[in-house]
Amino acid sequence: DVKVTQSSRYLVKRTGEKVFLECVQDMDHENMFWYRQDPGLGLRLIYFSYDVKMKEKGDIPEGYSVSREKKERFSLILESASTNQTSMYLCASSTRDSNQPQHFGDGTRLSIL
Amino acid sequence: GQNIDQPTEMTATEGAIVQINCTYQTSGFNGLFWYQQHAGEAPTFLSYNVLDGLEEKGRFSSFLSRSKGYSYLLLKELQMKDSASYLCAPINQAGTALIFGKGTTLSVSS
Repeated sequence: DVKVTQSSRYLVKRTGEKVFLECVQDMDHENMFWYRQDPGLGLRLIYFSYDVKMKEKGDIPEGYSVSREKKERFSLILESASTNQTSMYLCASSTRDSNQPQHFGDGTRLSIL
Repeated sequence: GQNIDQPTEMTATEGAIVQINCTYQTSGFNGLFWYQQHAGEAPTFLSYNVLDGLEEKGRFSSFLSRSKGYSYLLLKELQMKDSASYLCAPINQAGTALIFGKGTTLSVSS
């Protein structure tokens, strides 16, 4: 079974802090994704990566950056956290074949105070 | 542009059949996924359609009409554990990412 592991289930940070969310997958998937999920807005794509050191902006990249130094790991960085970034963050991975599903981690519920 | 429309909430009783509709408008079409998400959990893959017609998988089936920009998820013999959100997600034009609808929350009662 594909395993996508997010480093924290719950996280509380303060406004202005630099926040790192980590995601690791164990199935040698080329593609990795970061989403945020908010009530009434659904899942929105922040960034994705289709190879090591490659990244593409999703629908809402503002205030975020990402890092993919190794194939199995995809990090989401909040450069200077703000309260409107309080949300559920979900990481996913997939093969390069668009016909194959994405596999999701359990999510990180991030609160910015 | 891209727009996905699905009902916000639906209710049904155990043993019944329910159909969750999804209409989509995307710049191109490369396939469509359905995911299930229980409260507080990760979305899990249910089905994938790229050609017109019905794909059946046990109690769950998914239908696609590309010409109409329409898909539905059919759940038969409903069980309490089917209470969850159901997410419709077409693939974007570039074939690189999914565009998720806001999801339909299904409540199954006894």
